[in-house]
Amino acid sequence: EAQVTQNPRYLITVTGKKLTVTCSQNMNHEYMSWYRQDPGLGLRQIYYSMNVEVTDKGDVPEGYKVSRKEKRNFPLILESPSPNQTSLYFCASSLSRPEAFFGQGTRLTVV
Amino acid sequence: RKEVEQDPGPFNVPEGATVAFNCTYSNSASQSFFWYRQDCRKEPKLLMSVYSSGNEDGRFTAQLNRASQYISLLIRDSKLSDSATYLCVVNPSGGSYIPTFGRGTSLIVHP
Repeated sequence: EAQVTQNPRYLITVTGKKLTVTCSQNMNHEYMSWYRQDPGLGLRQIYYSMNVEVTDKGDVPEGYKVSRKEKRNFPLILESPSPNQTSLYFCASSLSRPEAFFGQGTRLTVV
Repeated sequence: RKEVEQDPGPFNVPEGATVAFNCTYSNSASQSFFWYRQDCRKEPKLLMSVYSSGNEDGRFTAQLNRASQYISLLIRDSKLSDSATYLCVVNPSGGSYIPTFGRGTSLIVHP
């Protein structure tokens, strides 16, 4: 089954404690991206990647890092999470735009 | 002015009704347009692309008006299962890969 898998689905953490949200796709897609969704603000792109070792900033990259060492994986790293990063995060992948497949989302709370 | 604007609704309609949503965009050079559907607390799913000549997929019709810079989504014979939030997505022109999502229009179809 074609899918984008994010882990964890839910996470509560404390300010400053580094965390990684994993994203994996099994469709051999080249294009992957991360979004956050906040009430009243809609989906905003954090980072995207056009292929292995190729990443670029989206609209709201501050406080986040990504890596793309393999085609299937695109982890999102928060080196020092802060409460304003509490949000619903989605990973997405596609062969080309638009993002045809989204992961199920990761609900992150930073206290 | 926001780049992509949608009426948040909610639109409350009875089963069988026809309902239409509009979405306006500010960047006249925008290249491609899409509608996504998002159920509560779930990931967005691509509903349909929007082509210049207009396109139809079953009960759903999408239109693009470049002169007035808006896209529309028409749903005929609404079903209870159509209840969701509909997101308008605009991709910029040129080399940018940062799509802009509207905040969504909520549709509630009642018996």
